[in-house]
Amino acid sequence: TQLLEQSPQFLSIQEGENLTVYCNSSSVFSSLQWYRQEPGEGPVLLVTVVTGGEVKKLKRLTFQFGDARKDSSLHITAAQTGDTGLYLCAARYAGSARQLTFGSGTQLTVLP
Amino acid sequence: NAGVTQTPKFQVLKTGQSMTLQCAQDMNHEYMSWYRQDPGMGLRLIHYSVGAGITDQGEVPNGYNVSRSTTEDFPLRLLSAAPSQTSVYFCASSWGPFNEQFFGPGTRLTVL
Repeated sequence: TQLLEQSPQFLSIQEGENLTVYCNSSSVFSSLQWYRQEPGEGPVLLVTVVTGGEVKKLKRLTFQFGDARKDSSLHITAAQTGDTGLYLCAARYAGSARQLTFGSGTQLTVLP
Repeated sequence: NAGVTQTPKFQVLKTGQSMTLQCAQDMNHEYMSWYRQDPGMGLRLIHYSVGAGITDQGEVPNGYNVSRSTTEDFPLRLLSAAPSQTSVYFCASSWGPFNEQFFGPGTRLTVL
């Protein structure tokens, strides 16, 4: 069974600050996705990364895929209150590629 | 398009009762899946389907049954509810198992 760990579990920051959320796997993954979930709603896909070392940017969000394909990070620059939510990473592994394994999530609160 | 719809939004059951959680999508997606989300544990895959008439087990299938008689619908059945099944249940759909998954709004189930 693959384990996907996220840290920190909770993060509370002031508007305008930068932050980084981490996702680490016990095994090499084929691809990794980041989702954002708001209360009372389902997760919404932010990005998919496939290649080791890959970096993708989505406005103020920067996603990085580790060279060894066992870790990823999400960096938010100048956080806004609208960034508040639960951030989830989800990985696909060889041998069970049809299934997504989710991390436990990072609950981000951005204070005004 | 309504996307992915789930009913009911909330449900309270007594131990031993049975019920069906409904999921429908109007995007003609072949792949559909059911997840449960518990505090501190992220989303865990219960069952999934790659097309009408084809279903398979995910990470936590015990106590749940599914069927896929049409492309649009993918109901999840609890045969004899247990308190351990108290959770928030999400249905998702996508063109294929490796494409972006679209999640429904969830069903919050409490088993007393």
